[in-house]
Amino acid sequence: SQQGEEDPQALSIQEGENATMNCSYKTSINNLQWYRQNSGRGLVHLILIRSNEREKHSGRLRVTLDTSKKSSSLLITASRAADTASYFCATDPLGGSQGNLIFGKGTKLSVKP
Amino acid sequence: GAGVSQSPRYKVAKRGQDVALRCDPISGHVSLFWYQQALGQGPEFLTYFQNEAQLDKSGLPSDRFFAERPEGSVSTLKIQRTQQEDSAVYLCASSLGSSGRLHTQYFGPGTRLTVL
Repeated sequence: SQQGEEDPQALSIQEGENATMNCSYKTSINNLQWYRQNSGRGLVHLILIRSNEREKHSGRLRVTLDTSKKSSSLLITASRAADTASYFCATDPLGGSQGNLIFGKGTKLSVKP
Repeated sequence: GAGVSQSPRYKVAKRGQDVALRCDPISGHVSLFWYQQALGQGPEFLTYFQNEAQLDKSGLPSDRFFAERPEGSVSTLKIQRTQQEDSAVYLCASSLGSSGRLHTQYFGPGTRLTVL
């Protein structure tokens, strides 16, 4: 069963614009991670945010976490065509097994040049 | 190798056949995970190894699915008597620590299984 729900399911923007994707989850967590998946490829880890953190930055990526609302957002600034991919949030549930992640269904991002 | 590798990349099986999917994790990584990803969905956890010990197999959908990691490195996911609903991409991931928690999981490219 999938814990996270990404919103929107699909997003199409122009190069240079910012892209915001949201993730909601159901149970308390140890941490939340965002992954990128290019078509036909494996997942690439982008960023991890712990349950006691509210915001984290990595290059053009900004992640926020609101544990009271059980939600997270991923912001990609100044998007590039190479950012075209599916983006997944994954949670490590509190009390869960040793770190197996529970993924959402993903947001499919298309960045047009 | 530099990353996690999986073989074969593509597998077509007739319903009822047995298949074996291989994962080579990053050298020295203690933890190994298998996930199943259906078309248009996110990956779903199947099983977890710490070295050669299978610590969690709660995600395996049926007793037709079996995974092993006998020497604590390479892992094999075996599916017996394949069914059409087994068609999916099977992803393997490894991480350095003894717990997947707080350690980045590095994913392989996956094996796309199609059962006819």
